[in-house]
Amino acid sequence: DVKVTQSSRYLVKRTGEKVFLECVQDMDHENMFWYRQDPGLGLRLIYFSYDVKMKEKGDIPEGYSVSREKKERFSLILESASTNQTSMYLCASLLHRGLQPQHFGDGTRLSIL
Amino acid sequence: SQQGEEDPQALSIQEGENATMNCSYKTSINNLQWYRQNSGRGLVHLILIRSNEREKHSGRLRVTLDTSKKSSSLLITASRAADTASYFCATPGGYNKLIFGAGTRLAVHP
Repeated sequence: DVKVTQSSRYLVKRTGEKVFLECVQDMDHENMFWYRQDPGLGLRLIYFSYDVKMKEKGDIPEGYSVSREKKERFSLILESASTNQTSMYLCASLLHRGLQPQHFGDGTRLSIL
Repeated sequence: SQQGEEDPQALSIQEGENATMNCSYKTSINNLQWYRQNSGRGLVHLILIRSNEREKHSGRLRVTLDTSKKSSSLLITASRAADTASYFCATPGGYNKLIFGAGTRLAVHP
């Protein structure tokens, strides 16, 4: 089974802090994704990566950046955290072959105070 | 961008009853996926249906796809308390991306 591991289930940070959310997958998947999930809005794509060091903006990239130095790890960075970034963050990975499902981590519930 | 929209937003039923959730989308697709999310957890893939399929089964799950109406339905038969979760449909959003709807919250009461 594919395992996608997010480093923290819960995280509390202060406004203005630089925040790192880490995601690791163990199945050599080429594609990795960061979403945020807010009540009533579903999942919205922040950034995705289709290969090491490659990244593409999703629908809501403002205030975020990402890093993919190794294939298995995809990091989401909040450059200067703000209260409107309080949310549930979900990481997913995907094998680049045919029609495949995305595999999700358990999420990080981030609170910015 | 195209987006699946689930209906109803929330559904409350008794154990043993069937639960039906619907998804509508806006543009042509080549597949549609359904995911489940237990409270506070990540999404788990349930089923993928291709555009040339009208119906697909997996255990107690039955998914239909009507491309002429741009809609899909997820039926859970003989529901159990453990089926309590949110259910999302997802449509292709270009280059391996998915676009998710806001989800249906299903509560199954013992």
